[in-house]
Amino acid sequence: NAGVTQTPKFRILKIGQSMTLQCTQDMNHNYMYWYRQDPGMGLKLIYYSVGAGITDKGEVPNGYNVSRSTTEDFPLRLELAAPSQTSVYFCASRRGQGNEQFFGPGTRLTVL
Amino acid sequence: GENVEQHPSTLSVQEGDSAVIKCTYSDSASNYFPWYKQELGKGPQLIIDIRSNVGEKKDQRIAVTLNKTAKHFSLHITETQPEDSAVYFCAATRGQNFVFGPGTRLSVLP
Repeated sequence: NAGVTQTPKFRILKIGQSMTLQCTQDMNHNYMYWYRQDPGMGLKLIYYSVGAGITDKGEVPNGYNVSRSTTEDFPLRLELAAPSQTSVYFCASRRGQGNEQFFGPGTRLTVL
Repeated sequence: GENVEQHPSTLSVQEGDSAVIKCTYSDSASNYFPWYKQELGKGPQLIIDIRSNVGEKKDQRIAVTLNKTAKHFSLHITETQPEDSAVYFCAATRGQNFVFGPGTRLSVLP
């Protein structure tokens, strides 16, 4: 199993541009998550999904959108990028409640 | 909602010494408490976890203790090695979402 994969690894955006961060897991996990991690800080939940077709907001959803059309994929969309969105973004998945989360390697995004 | 505090924020120990990181949580219904290790440039990886029906769990040099009454849990690393240097995060959950602590940067000095 590849686990949780994320693309791209790095990206530089200009203010106002849009992009989609890709996340795929091959463990048939129901739950998937998007976090952002600012330098020297902890993980903040952006959006999560408990299954295909079901998504919900986390702690910091403003400026982001998600969709979950399949069990495997959970893309994160940034519209009108702002410098405040400069961060490292992690995708994670878990089988269900009471189980560990598996994290992807992260996407480092810079908005200039 | 749940709130998780973590102390200390930074910790330096000599190689071979023990390291202890403590977390407190606010929601008494939380029932699963994982610890993650994050190395530079990588995603967090689970190193040990504990459920609310257990008071202590050990895996080689790593142990976790849970005090449900006081609502705190701790990570213990014995015989520390340079490769233990990383950022460690605790988390608490009782349902769909994890709430993470702010992290502890551990440095093991040779």
